[in-house]
Amino acid sequence: KAGVTQTPRYLIKTRGQQVTLSCSPISGHRSVSWYQQTPGQGLQFLFEYFSETQRNKGNFPGRFSGRQFSNSRSEMNVSTLELGDSALYLCASRPSGGQKGTGELFFGEGSRLTVL
Amino acid sequence: EDKVVQSPLSLVVHEGDTVTLNCSYEVTNFRSLLWYKQEKKAPTFLFMLTSSGIEKKSGRLSSILDKKELFSILNITATQTGDSAVYLCALRFQGAQKLVFGQGTRLTINP
Repeated sequence: KAGVTQTPRYLIKTRGQQVTLSCSPISGHRSVSWYQQTPGQGLQFLFEYFSETQRNKGNFPGRFSGRQFSNSRSEMNVSTLELGDSALYLCASRPSGGQKGTGELFFGEGSRLTVL
Repeated sequence: EDKVVQSPLSLVVHEGDTVTLNCSYEVTNFRSLLWYKQEKKAPTFLFMLTSSGIEKKSGRLSSILDKKELFSILNITATQTGDSAVYLCALRFQGAQKLVFGQGTRLTINP
């Protein structure tokens, strides 16, 4: 079974640009969440999606947005990039709706964003 | 704000040593506490603890949760160089995927 797949793995942008990151969850997983990881702040929750609906949102500005498609794939977008947005963006999926599991999240390898 | 504090932030030991990593928190209304290992990119799941006093074990790793004193520990015995990683503790809240992470403990095992 393929794991969580994130693309692109690395990207470099300049301030003011926007970026879209993609995440394909493990087959059969309907819940997807996004996290930002920086050396200073650690891992911080961005948003959570289930069945194309945002269920929970972290404490990030409106420049950070996301969506989920009917096949459970998810994208997140960051507009008007700032230097501080440089981070590793991790996507995670989890089985839900009565499926067996420990409740753990399965993480992808992440997208490393550098803003110059 | 929900807070999870891990200690130490960094730890360097020799192969074969036993280490204890700590995770303390300031909230009580969480569903479970999870431990993850992050070597390069993707954190990988180690344990999920929901009940106080019940030890979870997997090989040389074990973990326990104390809901009264609001902390958890992760023990690694007979450490190996492959145990070198950042160990993350997180709280999961009821009905949500949202995890609140601690800042992690960077463990380095020297041969």
